[in-house]
Amino acid sequence: DTAVSQTPKYLVTQMGNDKSIKCEQNLGHDTMYWYKQDSKKFLKIMFSYNNKELIINETVPNRFSPKSPDKAHLNLHINSLELGDSAVYFCASSLASGRAFYEQYFGPGTRLTVT
Amino acid sequence: GEDVEQSLFLSVREGDSSVINCTYTDSSSTYLYWYKQEPGAGLQLLTYIFSNMDMKQDQRLTVLLNKKDKHLSLRIADTQTGDSAIYFCAESIPSNAGKSTFGDGTTLTVKP
Repeated sequence: DTAVSQTPKYLVTQMGNDKSIKCEQNLGHDTMYWYKQDSKKFLKIMFSYNNKELIINETVPNRFSPKSPDKAHLNLHINSLELGDSAVYFCASSLASGRAFYEQYFGPGTRLTVT
Repeated sequence: GEDVEQSLFLSVREGDSSVINCTYTDSSSTYLYWYKQEPGAGLQLLTYIFSNMDMKQDQRLTVLLNKKDKHLSLRIADTQTGDSAIYFCAESIPSNAGKSTFGDGTTLTVKP
């Protein structure tokens, strides 16, 4: 049974389009994240939600908007896609509230290619 | 602010030991982690160490922490081709609301 799932796994789209990536976790975790991994494999956090509240919002263009309808889901919507948005996007989750130790569980990634 | 640095590449021969190094800047880090990313997959926690420990051993893995120098290392004994992956060092700080800062990752290549 998949712990953290993302859809779609691959997304190829043209510049200027709007797209969404969905993420779901069935671990009962209270915190979910979105990361961007570029072509050099550098991993950068974009957003984090704790109990459906946005708690981390790194310097990300406002074309990117996360939405958390409930604790088990965190979706990422991207408007007006640009070539530089091409990357692998990872969703992750953890049980972090009030804890010093928290393991993050990562989804399989969504490879976004903007042409 | 937090910063975590790693060397980007390491190449070893099968059967040798691998040592992957990491430095971090935030002295209030409570836990330090090593994540492994295999090709085409997400990251998975490999091991971790609490900041009041100097060493942790888990089968072929040894984690060493020098808190004074803010230096963390991961030693893999008897490295196998299946160990080829990207290894990310990460730290967590209690005040950071669940945010772990990741290094840039070290790509380990194991040659037969």
